Amino acid sequence: EAGVAQSPRYKIIEKRQSVAFWCNPISGHATLYWYQQILGQGPKLLIQFQNNGVVDDSQLPKDRFSAERLKGVDSTLKIQPAKLEDSAVYLCASSFAGSLNTGELFFGEGSRLTVL
Amino acid sequence: AQTVTQSQPEMSVQEAETVTLSCTYDTSESDYYLFWYKQPPSRQMILVIRQEAYKQQNATENRFSVNFQKAAKSFSLKISDSQLGDAAMYFCAYRSGSGNTPLVFGKGTRLSVIA
Repeated sequence: EAGVAQSPRYKIIEKRQSVAFWCNPISGHATLYWYQQILGQGPKLLIQFQNNGVVDDSQLPKDRFSAERLKGVDSTLKIQPAKLEDSAVYLCASSFAGSLNTGELFFGEGSRLTVL
Repeated sequence: AQTVTQSQPEMSVQEAETVTLSCTYDTSESDYYLFWYKQPPSRQMILVIRQEAYKQQNATENRFSVNFQKAAKSFSLKISDSQLGDAAMYFCAYRSGSGNTPLVFGKGTRLSVIA
């Protein structure tokens, strides 16, 4: 079974530039999450989708971050303009929804962003 | 809001020995799930073990077991017969039992295994 796919694995940009990360969840997983993991910290939720609708984006810095999941499958997270403090690993995860949801999240390998 | 605290930034264990990682959490809910996830260097995070709050019996998965103390809001992970492949960041996580809610993670404990 294919896992959660993310790209790119690594990205280096200058501050004020833009960047986009892509995620393809496990087939059949209705729920998709983007987490931000700053070095030395635990992952922090940025946004949660169920199908193509947003469930929770309360911690997404909406002045610079945006995310979409137009067809309820893959998702894109964009940062524009990037700041130094956005340097982090961006983790995508997916899970079943409803009665199939055991609470387990399946994670991708992450996209490591360095902002110079 | 729920919080998860891991008070040990780093731990080390000799190969074949036993180590315990600590986790405490704060919640007013009675229905929830607790998890330990493992994140090896440059590899994806994977689930180690899961505990439902309504179950009194501690979860066990091969060499991994938990000590779930609901009243104390404590959820420690014991790794027996430690192996070199156990070296990783370990994250304790909480999820509300109501609805399709996300995981709340602690800051993690880095485990080193010494040969």
